[in-house]
Amino acid sequence: NAGVMQNPRHLVRRRGQEARLRCSPMKGHSHVYWYRQLPEEGLKFMVYLQKENIIDESGMPKERFSAEFPKEGPSILRIQQVVRGDSAAYFCASSPRGTGNNEKLFFGSGTQLSVL
Amino acid sequence: DAKTTQPPSMDCAEGRAANLPCNHSTISGNEYVYWYRQIHSQGPQYIIHGLKNNETNEMASLIITEDRKSSTLILPHATLRDTAVYYCIVRSGMNRDDKIIFGKGTRLHILP
Repeated sequence: NAGVMQNPRHLVRRRGQEARLRCSPMKGHSHVYWYRQLPEEGLKFMVYLQKENIIDESGMPKERFSAEFPKEGPSILRIQQVVRGDSAAYFCASSPRGTGNNEKLFFGSGTQLSVL
Repeated sequence: DAKTTQPPSMDCAEGRAANLPCNHSTISGNEYVYWYRQIHSQGPQYIIHGLKNNETNEMASLIITEDRKSSTLILPHATLRDTAVYYCIVRSGMNRDDKIIFGKGTRLHILP
């Protein structure tokens, strides 16, 4: 059973470009969480999705950032018109039923986004 | 979810038991104690969780005080690979607010 898969592992973008980060949850998991970790800082919650629905996006910036988790395919975190401050590690996690049901999270290896 | 307090850093000699404390004095009756760790540049990894009884698995042991206001994560024979940031999180198993919030954690250095 493969773990949470994130790609790409490293992504380099120039200011103003778009960044697309992909996350395939573990098999059988329908809940996906995205976290951001700035250099030398802690993990910050961004968004929680359940298949085709955004459940909680309270941690996601209102502009330029969007997330989706379609019925088929991976979850996508999209950052439009990237700026240098978006440079960070982005981690995706999944769980079978949502952590409100006392489930633990399984994390991917992350995508390191570097904005030049 | 209840707030937790952890020391910012700790050292432990390789081969010794690493004991990581966590205070959660405002914990309520239906809240669980979870531990995760993050090894440098990797995604966080679940370690263990418990409600009021002590728990043990292949990675660690979790000791929760009788009043549940504090707990200790024990890595019985620490290795260099246990160097990581350890996060203690308290949350309700029935919380509709599903996200897990990570604090600053404890940076554990295993010394050779």
